[in-house]
Amino acid sequence: SQELEQSPQSLIVQEGKNLTINCTSSKTLYGLYWYKQKYGEGLIFLMMLQKGGEEKSHEKITAKLDEKKQQSSLHITASQPSHAGIYLCGADEGGSNYKLTFGKGTLLTVNP
Amino acid sequence: DTGVSQNPRHKITKRGQNVTFRCDPISEHNRLYWYRQTLGQGPEFLTYFQNEAQLEKSRLLSDRFSAERPKGSFSTLEIQRTEQGDSAMYLCASSLAGSGDGYTFGSGTRLTVV
Repeated sequence: SQELEQSPQSLIVQEGKNLTINCTSSKTLYGLYWYKQKYGEGLIFLMMLQKGGEEKSHEKITAKLDEKKQQSSLHITASQPSHAGIYLCGADEGGSNYKLTFGKGTLLTVNP
Repeated sequence: DTGVSQNPRHKITKRGQNVTFRCDPISEHNRLYWYRQTLGQGPEFLTYFQNEAQLEKSRLLSDRFSAERPKGSFSTLEIQRTEQGDSAMYLCASSLAGSGDGYTFGSGTRLTVV
């Protein structure tokens, strides 16, 4: 089965700083999803990447999928307290198009 | 449409009792998914429906778990004879097959078995 490893497990940054979260897969990524989760709540969809080398941005968040489609990164520019939460990467397992395998998440704290 | 709705938000039950959760997906979504998430872990796939048909069940879904989507709209997840190990957040998601829009998750139902 596919395994996703996220790094770092947790991250504390000062407001205004840039940061990067990584997601590495044990197998080829056919569809890679980034979600944000507030503690005790559901998942908020951020972005989906499918093609090698693909890059998408939304507001101050940019996600990339490497050419080999085994690693993705999420970059936040000029972080704000509103960016705090748990960031999860999820992958369509084996290209199933219906079953997501998730990493354990990265807990982001942004200090004002 | 206000997204994926789950009820209740929280449920505390005694060990051995049965519980049922409900999920109302986005109305035009034909696929519905259940996931379970424990503290410090990512969500784990439990099962999914396309319309009213349950097409896959994870081995995590023991015989005490049953899910239904009788009319291809809302879904229920029932856990019989609850155990402390069932304590978790149960998340529902929906999607429109072939749309490429991804999965929309609900806010989840947090189950605590005491």
